[in-house]
Amino acid sequence: GAGVSQSPSNKVTEKGKDVELRCDPISGHTALYWYRQSLGQGLEFLIYFQGNSAPDKSGLPSDRFSAERTGGSVSTLTIQRTQQEDSAVYLCASSPRQGSGGYTFGSGTRLTVV
Amino acid sequence: AQKVTQAQTEISVVEKEDVTLDCVYETRDTTYYLFWYKQPPSGELVFLIRRNSFDEQNEISGRYSWNFQKSTSSFNFTITASQVVDSAVYFCALTTSGSARQLTFGSGTQLTVLP
Repeated sequence: GAGVSQSPSNKVTEKGKDVELRCDPISGHTALYWYRQSLGQGLEFLIYFQGNSAPDKSGLPSDRFSAERTGGSVSTLTIQRTQQEDSAVYLCASSPRQGSGGYTFGSGTRLTVV
Repeated sequence: AQKVTQAQTEISVVEKEDVTLDCVYETRDTTYYLFWYKQPPSGELVFLIRRNSFDEQNEISGRYSWNFQKSTSSFNFTITASQVVDSAVYFCALTTSGSARQLTFGSGTQLTVLP
């Protein structure tokens, strides 16, 4: 598509439930990133995929968070046993090969854990 | 490790005024890239500019201009003749050759342009 697409745009879940957030990057972009934006923490890096290389998971805050990227395209961020502190906007970005141009961000998924 | 500091949390100006948003960065890498993003109330991060560490030329794009100074580790952003539509949160960000291209963001500056 023309831009980075994220779904759902909003998600309300009960504490303890699992959630899946989806990101569809720009076609042909080999790099894909997940970031989290919350009031107290600003914009935090979570995970990075580049082509078929092993992902950089250094930003994942706990083992309840995981992500996969199938076929080098669509990515899913999964949060297990959600906690209230997981409430945030989860942003996905993609870019062409490393270092070229700007990163294009999606509109994000606003996750609220009640 | 790298760090980006945007000391101005909020700025308010009257339409047509010029405004400068400050950004100071820290990195030990000699190769790095600096970015500015705009986040309007709709929430989407909009890419404005990317500058690499070997290019210190200032840049002007319409009402926007950027002043990159390695000597002071700063990459400031000026909006000339501000407009109400410029109201947004502006983020400065940094990525280095050693960071797998992950962006380190500053905390953002909320710019409000009053009519």
